[in-house]
Amino acid sequence: DGGITQSPKYLFRKEGQNVTLSCEQNLNHDAMYWYRQDPGQGLRLIYYSQIVNDFQKGDIAEGYSVSREKKESFPLTVTSAQKNPTAFYLCASSIDRGRAGNEQFFGPGTRLTVL
Amino acid sequence: GENVEQHPSTLSVQEGDSAVIKCTYSDSASNYFPWYKQELGKRPQLIIDIRSNVGEKKDQRIAVTLNKTAKHFSLHITETQPEDSAVYFCAAVPSGSARQLTFGSGTQLTVLP
Repeated sequence: DGGITQSPKYLFRKEGQNVTLSCEQNLNHDAMYWYRQDPGQGLRLIYYSQIVNDFQKGDIAEGYSVSREKKESFPLTVTSAQKNPTAFYLCASSIDRGRAGNEQFFGPGTRLTVL
Repeated sequence: GENVEQHPSTLSVQEGDSAVIKCTYSDSASNYFPWYKQELGKRPQLIIDIRSNVGEKKDQRIAVTLNKTAKHFSLHITETQPEDSAVYFCAAVPSGSARQLTFGSGTQLTVLP
């Protein structure tokens, strides 16, 4: 569990402000992911990255941005363009063994509330 | 893209009874199907997974079955205990993807003492 961390645990933001959520892993995993979790909707993929300096949009990327400058870090920025940013955000990572379907390990999450 | 549907959304069982959660998927080329358990306020954790070359997999009180022809897979929990109460998510890895998961909407399982 301690291998992937997220900070802060709770975050409050005023409308119109950008905010960055941190995600760090020391598992030496190649792939990292950001999900958004809303009640009754499961987990929806925002962005993912398979390798340093490369990332791809997921299903709901609008209003979000990411970077992957280091293997162990994958920060997510929630921009003012995101219309409904209040949600629980989960970061995950997985080892890439060159085949589909490897276990994803999740961080503890960040609960973002827009005031 | 892949679409995963999960039923039921809520499930209550008496302690000691069995619980079954079902998922269907749309992409016939999907080949990896994990199940995650998320306790209240905690992160999702993998409890069991199955690959498309296997029809059933069991781990103590938990089992998963896969029907590739019908494109559905199910989670079976036997002899349920109060600590099994949680939200359970199924997921599938669609073809041609970079290994990202498509999740079902979740099932809130409550085990009544």
